[in-house]
Amino acid sequence: NAGVTQTPKFQVLKTGQSMTLQCAQDMNHEYMSWYRQDPGMGLRLIHYSVGAGITDQGEVPNGYNVSRSTTEDFPLRLLSAAPSQTSVYFCASGGGISLAFGPGTRLTVT
Amino acid sequence: KQEVTQIPAALSVPEGENLVLNCSFTDSAIYNLQWFRQDPGKGLTSLLLIQSSQREQTSGRLNASLDKSSGRSTLYIAASQPGDSATYLCAVEGEKLTFGTGTRLTIIP
Repeated sequence: NAGVTQTPKFQVLKTGQSMTLQCAQDMNHEYMSWYRQDPGMGLRLIHYSVGAGITDQGEVPNGYNVSRSTTEDFPLRLLSAAPSQTSVYFCASGGGISLAFGPGTRLTVT
Repeated sequence: KQEVTQIPAALSVPEGENLVLNCSFTDSAIYNLQWFRQDPGKGLTSLLLIQSSQREQTSGRLNASLDKSSGRSTLYIAASQPGDSATYLCAVEGEKLTFGTGTRLTIIP
């Protein structure tokens, strides 16, 4: 039981490049979400999904896309990276007491 | 809009002391409040969840209380140990999950 896995752990991008952050869970949770964590700010919700084929925007969705083709996977795509997207990204699965976070991806955009 | 505040941002205490971490929130219409621990470079680990109808929850040396009417929660850590050093975040669940910015706790051996 791996819980929530994220890849890569670290990534450096140049402005304008695109990339996909991968997230997978093996707990059969319907609800999955993506957060970003910036110094001095709480975790902020980017996008979330309540099940395969269903996604919705969170608090800070601009510049990011998501899709949910399976229950297990919830990738986050950066369309055209900007320095403002430098952050640590966390994928989460489940909710309430079953809420589980991945280890995070530290992204730097230069 | 829900706002969650944790003060102080950092706290250092000698090993063995009991300590209290604070969390305040502006909108009392919540379903639950949760405390998390975050170690450097790692994800968040859930410690305790208090339903809105509850007043407190306990797990080992940890005790979390909730006063919805005043918009406050405390996390009490008894007999602190160096392994308790981490950042502690609280989050309230209403329409969405809103996180505080955390208190970075250092236990001095």
